[in-house]
Amino acid sequence: GAGVSQSPSNKVTEKGKDVELRCDPISGHTALYWYRQSLGQGLEFLIYFQGNSAPDKSGLPSDRFSAERTGGSVSTLTIQRTQQEDSAVYLCASSLNRDNEQFFGPGTRLTVL
Amino acid sequence: RKEVEQDPGPFNVPEGATVAFNCTYSNSASQSFFWYRQDCRKEPKLLMSVYSSGNEDGRFTAQLNRASQYISLLIRDSKLSDSATYLCVVRLDAGNNRKLIWGLGTSLAVNP
Repeated sequence: GAGVSQSPSNKVTEKGKDVELRCDPISGHTALYWYRQSLGQGLEFLIYFQGNSAPDKSGLPSDRFSAERTGGSVSTLTIQRTQQEDSAVYLCASSLNRDNEQFFGPGTRLTVL
Repeated sequence: RKEVEQDPGPFNVPEGATVAFNCTYSNSASQSFFWYRQDCRKEPKLLMSVYSSGNEDGRFTAQLNRASQYISLLIRDSKLSDSATYLCVVRLDAGNNRKLIWGLGTSLAVNP
């Protein structure tokens, strides 16, 4: 079956612009996670959704970052006024519920010039 | 002290070797433990969960030592295809929140 998909796969933007990243989780998965990974670094947790609500936003690095999930499915991560330090791979994962294995999407590679 | 610590390596081993990685965690209330594998420029994928009694899946064996707060991953008869970064993940329940804490990974290179 279809796995987690993310779009775009690559995004190059100029400093100060807003970007929107999209995640389509596996159908029926109630839990959705956003992470980012800088080159050679570990995974940094950003936000977790259970259904449409986000019980844990503790990882969002600043108020320039926001995320929403609608219909218990698609999620978008928005970064406003991008900075060069935002450059990273943004990974989305979903799981059947919060106790189950996380399946990752291929990621969006964001480059802020 | 980091919540989850791993030796970053790299571990360079010949094909056929046995290699073991440890991962230490700081919070004794940690509930569940996992090993994920991440290939270069790819997304992480679950390798195996780690059960209290230890578990084995083919050439891979995972162990949990709660007293010393570490988990281990043993790979026997290493293959070239085992070359990857191995990520330790610890799940911690904190009230209504469930946190997954990721280690930075241990890099393994299996050489011909």
